[in-house]
Amino acid sequence: GAVVSQHPSWVICKSGTSVKIECRSLDFQATTMFWYRQFPKQSLMLMATSNEGSKATYEQGVEKDKFLINHASLTLSTLTVTSAHPEDSSFYICSAPRDVGTEAFFGQGTRLTVV
Amino acid sequence: QKEVEQNSGPLSVPEGAIASLNCTYSDRGSQSFFWYRQYSGKSPELIMFIYSNGDKEDGRFTAQLNKASQYVSLLIRDSQPSDSATYLCAVNPVMKTSYDKVIFGPGTSLSVIP
Repeated sequence: GAVVSQHPSWVICKSGTSVKIECRSLDFQATTMFWYRQFPKQSLMLMATSNEGSKATYEQGVEKDKFLINHASLTLSTLTVTSAHPEDSSFYICSAPRDVGTEAFFGQGTRLTVV
Repeated sequence: QKEVEQNSGPLSVPEGAIASLNCTYSDRGSQSFFWYRQYSGKSPELIMFIYSNGDKEDGRFTAQLNKASQYVSLLIRDSQPSDSATYLCAVNPVMKTSYDKVIFGPGTSLSVIP
């Protein structure tokens, strides 16, 4: 199956700093990448949808200036958490469908801890 | 009304039994349905997808879809302790020609007791 590689798998940062998370599609071109956040014992919450070469679409309540998404190529999308605070600590996961209308493949997830 | 609903569980079944996981959705126009398994601390992995009414079998897993009742289920036969995880139902409410805003249910925690 398709592989989506996400890095880093975990990161600890100080409050006020920025963290960049990368997702790469290894064997297919990901026109669309979805970014999710998951708090403990809760379901996945879609944060934003990124499309290669255009601006990301953010879900209601997600601050686009805080969560910067770049999808500059068909194989790479990045999420930057700017000026991170402890409440941003969460599990961030990307996913991409191989083709339109097909199932999505998930990255390994990034556990972010802001101290 | 939540768009995708699942019983949060935990659902406990003995090893070797059949585990039945259920999911209902609110958008009658939904076209694509997915079941993901998520182990604690890991990202979800796809188990099955189903687009048409009826049953779809893959090994020990059977997905069942009833669009009239807006209901999709996952059966796990011969449950194993390694099946213990949270199972997420996901629904794509739009036509298959686009992939947008797949909605995840809250997940059902399954525990298979040896």
